[in-house]
Amino acid sequence: QKEVEQDPGPLSVPEGAIVSLNCTYSNSAFQYFMWYRQYSRKGPELLMYTYSSGNKEDGRFTAQVDKSSKYISLFIRDSQPSDSATYLCATNTDKLIFGTGTRLQVFP
Amino acid sequence: NAGVTQTPKFRVLKTGQSMTLLCAQDMNHEYMYWYRQDPGMGLRLIHYSVGEGTTAKGEVPDGYNVSRLKKQNFLLGLESAAPSQTSVYFCASSYQGDNYGYTFGSGTRLTVV
Repeated sequence: QKEVEQDPGPLSVPEGAIVSLNCTYSNSAFQYFMWYRQYSRKGPELLMYTYSSGNKEDGRFTAQVDKSSKYISLFIRDSQPSDSATYLCATNTDKLIFGTGTRLQVFP
Repeated sequence: NAGVTQTPKFRVLKTGQSMTLLCAQDMNHEYMYWYRQDPGMGLRLIHYSVGEGTTAKGEVPDGYNVSRLKKQNFLLGLESAAPSQTSVYFCASSYQGDNYGYTFGSGTRLTVV
């Protein structure tokens, strides 16, 4: 079993839709959770990070962690074509462990 | 602009050739990492360093060597390239381990024929 599992997609939505991206993880000791965004032919960039359970909001983006079910989510409100990218979840032991990424396409 | 710079951006190698990928960061980060990214496999850690003069193996270290002679530079070497090493290679750095997130370079696309 992989330590972090992520649906690869692709996920295709119309502009303005609410997008939900999800990951599951296996180790209850994980405390820090991150979402990275990767545009085509670019390196990943840190989008949001949260510690332990709860929600964190930043503009149109909300990161949510449910430690009881080992589930992490990223919600994008009012999605835009510029949100089209691959989104990678990550968590840590002594190093970051990444999900395989979900490719999102937002069409006009 | 501050950040992580990788050179070269693209390279085509013949099987058996050697090359070195260079990563440079100007953020005074202690930790540096080399990843490879393959379709369906995500980011896999090759080697990492927790400070100048230190290196350690990651998840997929075979066929690669690294050196961290200066704090700002982290080199990844392929001594005898194989087609299985065709990939996109990313370097990353962080201030203190992974809790605060990594800063990635823009990648090196390597093809081994």
